Amino acid sequence: QQQVKQSPQSLIVQKGGISIINCAYENTAFDYFPWYQQFPGKGPALLIAIRPDVSEKKEGRFTISFNKSAKQFSLHIMDSQPGDSATYFCAASGANSKLTFGKGITLSVRP
Amino acid sequence: NAGVTQTPKFQVLKTGQSMTLQCAQDMNHNSMYWYRQDPGMGLRLIYYSASEGTTDKGEVPNGYNVSRLNKREFSLRLESAAPSQTSVYFCASSGQVWLYSNQPQHFGDGTRLSIL
Repeated sequence: QQQVKQSPQSLIVQKGGISIINCAYENTAFDYFPWYQQFPGKGPALLIAIRPDVSEKKEGRFTISFNKSAKQFSLHIMDSQPGDSATYFCAASGANSKLTFGKGITLSVRP
Repeated sequence: NAGVTQTPKFQVLKTGQSMTLQCAQDMNHNSMYWYRQDPGMGLRLIYYSASEGTTDKGEVPNGYNVSRLNKREFSLRLESAAPSQTSVYFCASSGQVWLYSNQPQHFGDGTRLSIL
């Protein structure tokens, strides 16, 4: 049973475009939803996170949109740059802080 | 500014050999985690330690053991390595877990383990 599902599996975007990655979860006890960014040969790094008491959070070019009733959240990358090319993981956790990760999506931003 | 340090970075083992992966953090974090990352599978939790002196199983604990040596160090041991354990292993740590205030997990750069 996959508790956190990401889509699409891969994404190619032109420089300057908007990258959108979606995530759906099943466990209603989850109350913390981070996105991690991973470059080749490196560990994942926290990009942005949201709690279910807000519907949107923005940090620079990165925005999380959260829909509690649909149990979905998404990452929007505005003005995508080649340096944003990486693997992106959504995750979710409850009060015990154990993260459940999605399978990851590879984003390629073409110059 | 080391953060989470994992050793070794690369290792090749033969089936049946044993090995311990080392992890240390210098952020005074209470919680530490071991994950494995396989293509198309995301990150799966092997074991975690909520605080010094405690350890608990994650999603895929079979074939592994862990030791929380002290607050800084959390090791992962493969007693009898199998080809199915070929993977990239990541250690992570996070600060005090407050109710309704999860702290972000900080990851090391991984150990790439191949078992022949």
